[in-house]
Amino acid sequence: DGGITQSPKYLFRKEGQNVTLSCEQNLNHDAMYWYRQDPGQGLRLIYYSQIVNDFQKGDIAEGYSVSREKKESFPLTVTSAQKNPTAFYLCASSITRWEGRNTEAFFGQGTRLTVV
Amino acid sequence: EDQVTQSPEALRLQEGESSSLNCSYTVSGLRGLFWYRQDPGKGPEFLFTLYSAGEEKEKERLKATLTKKESFLHITAPKPEDSATYLCAVRPGTYKYIFGTGTRLKVLA
Repeated sequence: DGGITQSPKYLFRKEGQNVTLSCEQNLNHDAMYWYRQDPGQGLRLIYYSQIVNDFQKGDIAEGYSVSREKKESFPLTVTSAQKNPTAFYLCASSITRWEGRNTEAFFGQGTRLTVV
Repeated sequence: EDQVTQSPEALRLQEGESSSLNCSYTVSGLRGLFWYRQDPGKGPEFLFTLYSAGEEKEKERLKATLTKKESFLHITAPKPEDSATYLCAVRPGTYKYIFGTGTRLKVLA
């Protein structure tokens, strides 16, 4: 089955530690995204990548880092510099364009990160 | 500034009681409006894409419509399993999806 796999589903981190969230897709999509979701707020873009070895900051990139060494993979590292990292993290992918139109994004099942 | 606003924030319906959710948007150039369903603790599930005013899409009890300033998600004769948060998003450029805060729908048996 084609899709997006995020792991782990739940993650606990001690303050001051870096942690990496995994995202893998087998949809052959060029674009991948990381969003953060907090209660009562919409999804906020952390980073996105439109092609391998290239990525751009989104609206809330401070305290996060990413890499895109393979088309299928887009891991997100939450660093100790992120002041409020407890949240639900969502990875998504999409075709960049299709017949000149923007297409929908498909999401993984999310990783819930809790700082203890 | 590109923006998406959804209303109401929360909606409680009796089973079979039809209603509509609203998504209003201000974007520099609409190149796609997307509806998603999200269950608690899960990632959003894609429902519909709309591109131009007047366009409609249907799936089971759901129908999405689009005007130049807003989109509606009509729910006909809802069932308890339709309870979820419904998200609306636009993609004004070529990379970024902008999401609304969603409507939490609860359908009571």
